[in-house]
Amino acid sequence: NAGVMQNPRHLVRRRGQEARLRCSPMKGHSHVYWYRQLPEEGLKFMVYLQKENIIDESGMPKERFSAEFPKEGPSILRIQQVVRGDSAAYFCASSPQSTGNSGNTIYFGEGSWLTVV
Amino acid sequence: SQKIEQNSEALNIQEGKTATLTCNYTNYSPAYLQWYRQDPGRGPVFLLLIRENEKEKRKERLKVTFDTTLKQSLFHITASQPADSATYLCAVDGQNFVFGPGTRLSVLP
Repeated sequence: NAGVMQNPRHLVRRRGQEARLRCSPMKGHSHVYWYRQLPEEGLKFMVYLQKENIIDESGMPKERFSAEFPKEGPSILRIQQVVRGDSAAYFCASSPQSTGNSGNTIYFGEGSWLTVV
Repeated sequence: SQKIEQNSEALNIQEGKTATLTCNYTNYSPAYLQWYRQDPGRGPVFLLLIRENEKEKRKERLKVTFDTTLKQSLFHITASQPADSATYLCAVDGQNFVFGPGTRLSVLP
C-alpha cells in the first residue's frame, strides 16, 4: 500500500513564475492537508480538503495561493507569481476520515522543496 | 491565543540515557495528542497517540504521558541511541492538526 506521494520532490522557480505541487493521498484516504515548513521553523497548517471541497483554508495566504482536490486525480497546491519568501518545504498529509478530535492520525508525504531564485 | 510549546529547541543527551521532551498547550482542549518524528529532509512520521483519558502510553522504548490538568504531555525515550537523533513534534488534534515547533534531539555516542 503506497504511502502519500508528493511530486515534484524539488522544484526551482524564478520569481514571478507559478509553482504546482501535487499530492496523491494514501489509498482509501479522502482527506488531505497541506503544511508549509520554513527553514528551521515548525510545520504551519495551510489548508484541509476533502474530495471537491475545501474544509478549512484558514492557514492559506489570501493571495497567490490556492488548493484543490478534484474528484479524480491528486490534490494540487498552486502558488502564483512566486516570491523568494515562498521558498520552503511543502508537506501533504492524508487521513481516512476527518480528524476533529476523532483520534485519526495523519500520514505525511516526503515533501516538495520549493526554491525561488 | 492558542499556543503549543515544546520545551527546548535542542536537547543533547548521552547514549543510554533517557530523553524527556515536553509539550505544553494553551487554550486547546484536545481529546488526543500525538507525537511525530521528523528526520532532516523527510516528512514527519507518526509515533504515538494518547487519549485524554489515558495517563500513559508505551511503545517499545517510547513512553508518552498526558496531563490535561497541567495541559502537558511528556515524551520519553529510554535507553536512547544515536539513531534516535531527530526532531520530535507534538500535535494537537482539532479541526485540523496543529503542530508544536519541535525539539531537535541529539543522542551522543
